[in-house]
Amino acid sequence: KQEVTQIPAALSVPEGENLVLNCSFTDSAIYNLQWFRQDPGKGLTSLLLIQSSQREQTSGRLNASLDKSSGRSTLYIAASQPGDSATYLCAVNTGFQKLVFGTGTRLLVSP
Amino acid sequence: EAGVTQSPTHLIKTRGQQATLRCSPISGHTSVYWYQQALGLGLQFLLWYDEGEERNRGNFPPRFSGRQFPNYSSELNVNALELEDSALYLCASSWGTGDFIFGPGTRLTVL
Repeated sequence: KQEVTQIPAALSVPEGENLVLNCSFTDSAIYNLQWFRQDPGKGLTSLLLIQSSQREQTSGRLNASLDKSSGRSTLYIAASQPGDSATYLCAVNTGFQKLVFGTGTRLLVSP
Repeated sequence: EAGVTQSPTHLIKTRGQQATLRCSPISGHTSVYWYQQALGLGLQFLLWYDEGEERNRGNFPPRFSGRQFPNYSSELNVNALELEDSALYLCASSWGTGDFIFGPGTRLTVL
């Protein structure tokens, strides 16, 4: 059974810091991995999708890497801003289009 | 381009009643997914519909059911509501194995 874990569970940083969010999964047989952000009480916003054959994806200040063999992904956020405050979720596609979500990292960026 | 839409935004029911939640996917997306986000339990996969057929189902009882219409919109029905069904229900759509795009969710409260 696929299990996805995210570390840390919560993170508080001052504005401008670069930070790394971690995601690990137990079964390397995945189709892809997707990072999302969720604002309180809201739906999910897709940030980056990494196919299993890819090593990384970049969008603006965000960079996500994938090491399938070791079951790890990282989301790097450069020059963090207060607007980045949200919960960040990673999800692996295990086949039959089923996403297994991690527990999330709650990020607070202070001005 | 309009995103994934869900209705209603909020729904309040009492135990034993039935709830119907609706979702309209992004134009061109043929797959619709339903996820439940209950407090403290994270996001759990409920159902996947594609081309009008149920393709995959999560570990939920049969009182959770749904359907997909010819225009690819979808309906989730929850019968015999229980208190623990209170949650944010998220719908997502995709085309092929691309990004999952989520809607804003329906907050179901069972009293």
